[in-house]
Amino acid sequence: GEDVEQSLFLSVREGDSSVINCTYTDSSSTYLYWYKQEPGAGLQLLTYIFSNMDMKQDQRLTVLLNKKDKHLSLRIADTQTGDSAIYFCAEAYNQGGKLIFGQGTELSVKP
Amino acid sequence: DTAVSQTPKYLVTQMGNDKSIKCEQNLGHDTMYWYKQDSKKFLKIMFSYNNKELIINETVPNRFSPKSPDKAHLNLHINSLELGDSAVYFCASSQETITDTQYFGPGTRLTVL
Repeated sequence: GEDVEQSLFLSVREGDSSVINCTYTDSSSTYLYWYKQEPGAGLQLLTYIFSNMDMKQDQRLTVLLNKKDKHLSLRIADTQTGDSAIYFCAEAYNQGGKLIFGQGTELSVKP
Repeated sequence: DTAVSQTPKYLVTQMGNDKSIKCEQNLGHDTMYWYKQDSKKFLKIMFSYNNKELIINETVPNRFSPKSPDKAHLNLHINSLELGDSAVYFCASSQETITDTQYFGPGTRLTVL
């Protein structure tokens, strides 16, 4: 089945680390993505991980993939107020490039 | 230069009208998509086209008809608009299907009154 789940809200203080979690169901997914959506804006690709990797680091972003548990996480180090946005996890479903999105996690960063 | 562009950004119209949203990508990609984001921010794919050929049609009502005049354009025409069509519509493109990253346009906010 096609299902990607995320918690809806996360609140952190500026300077702390944020960890946004995601679970997915399709074990044949090739790529998993994190997109960021700021208020009133489109989707911005943040990072992605190929399914044969366990971890990917890109500056302040660290993606961890646990294939056994079908669990994906995004860690943002030294979270800033500018990181406040909705973060979407997505898996590339093995059918014509279809992306299945989670519900999005709204990250609120307090000064 | 904008990679994936959509027009208009905002569209307000009456129930029963017919409207179109245009999408263009200048990335040289072969595949284009339309997604719908509802009021709860839930994003769901509607269509995908590869080289002007329909690949995915996700149980979207017949009132929605995508049209791809060439690889760089995928327009969305909606007939007999209903209140439930109010949403933000995103266009996206990728080089190939499955393995390639999708790049999204800025979205078109459609409000049906």
